[in-house]
Amino acid sequence: EAQVTQNPRYLITVTGKKLTVTCSQNMNHEYMSWYRQDPGLGLRQIYYSMNVEVTDKGDVPEGYKVSRKEKRNFPLILESPSPNQTSLYFCASSLFGEEETQYFGPGTRLLVL
Amino acid sequence: TQLLEQSPQFLSIQEGENLTVYCNSSSVFSSLQWYRQEPGEGPVLLVTVVTGGEVKKLKRLTFQFGDARKDSSLHITAAQPGDTGLYLCAGEPSGTYKYIFGTGTRLKVLA
Repeated sequence: EAQVTQNPRYLITVTGKKLTVTCSQNMNHEYMSWYRQDPGLGLRQIYYSMNVEVTDKGDVPEGYKVSRKEKRNFPLILESPSPNQTSLYFCASSLFGEEETQYFGPGTRLLVL
Repeated sequence: TQLLEQSPQFLSIQEGENLTVYCNSSSVFSSLQWYRQEPGEGPVLLVTVVTGGEVKKLKRLTFQFGDARKDSSLHITAAQPGDTGLYLCAGEPSGTYKYIFGTGTRLKVLA
């Protein structure tokens, strides 16, 4: 089954404790992306990757890192989480192209205390 | 920051009514996409509009892309309770590889 998986689905952590949210897709998609969704602000792109070893900042990259060492995986790293990073996070993937459908993972709900 | 502004933000209507959701920007988009999101799930694509002036229909949903490719609309005819959800427009501004979403329209259709 074609899908995007994220882990963990729920995470409660404390300020400053490094964490990684994994994202994996099995559709051989070139383009992968991370978003955060906050009430009243919609979905905002954090980082995106056009292919292996090619990543770039979205609209809200501060406090986040990503890597793309393999085509299927695109982990999101919070080196020193802060309470303002409490949010619902989505990973997405698509073939590369403006008209291509983005497929979203199930989401990761993060609470930073 | 390029923005996609959606209106209205909230809409509560009776079953059988018609409604239109608008998505506007000052930027030109090569294409615009409409998604629907259910609580606790990721957005799911409804349609992609590509050509300025294009109209696409998906059952009771009609999507239009503005002639200048800066705006789009979603019209639902005879809304049903199953149409309840969060509707999002999104796209890639021309000349960028970023992807931006509108602020969303939360629709509730009452039986």
